[in-house]
Amino acid sequence: KAGVTQTPRYLIKTRGQQVTLSCSPISGHRSVSWYQQTPGQGLQFLFEYFSETQRNKGNFPGRFSGRQFSNSRSEMNVSTLELGDSALYLCASSEGNGVGPQHFGDGTRLSIL
Amino acid sequence: EDKVVQSPLSLVVHEGDTVTLNCSYEVTNFRSLLWYKQEKKAPTFLFMLTSSGIEKKSGRLSSILDKKELFSILNITATQTGDSAIYLCADQGAQKLVFGQGTRLTINP
Repeated sequence: KAGVTQTPRYLIKTRGQQVTLSCSPISGHRSVSWYQQTPGQGLQFLFEYFSETQRNKGNFPGRFSGRQFSNSRSEMNVSTLELGDSALYLCASSEGNGVGPQHFGDGTRLSIL
Repeated sequence: EDKVVQSPLSLVVHEGDTVTLNCSYEVTNFRSLLWYKQEKKAPTFLFMLTSSGIEKKSGRLSSILDKKELFSILNITATQTGDSAIYLCADQGAQKLVFGQGTRLTINP
């Protein structure tokens, strides 16, 4: 079974731009969660989608948004990029029923210049 | 607010040593506690603990949960250089994981 796939692996943007990250979950997984990892704050929860609906959201500004498609693939968008948005963005998938663990992709490393 | 605290934050040992990593949690709606290992990229899943007092084991790694005292430990016996990584514990609450700061484990040959 293929794991969680995230694209692109690396991205360099400048302040003020916007970016879209993509995540394909493990086959059969209906829940996709997004996390931001930085050296200072560690791993922080952004949001979770299940069957195209956002079920939970972390404490991030409205510039961070996401969506999920009918095939469970998910995208995350960050608008008006700031230097502090430089981070590793991780996507995780699970069955969504709270029984099984979340499995992570390799992440997208976003650098803001 | 849910909180997960790991200790120590950093640990350096020699190959062959046994290590114990700690994780305490304060959460309002506990469901399960998870351990992950992170090397350079994705955190990889190690254990999921839901019941108190039942040890989960995989090779040289084992973990146990104490729901009364709100903590978990991860043990690694006969450590190898390949065990060098950041070990993360997380509470799996309502559709999200709340992570601790992680323990950076370094195994010297």
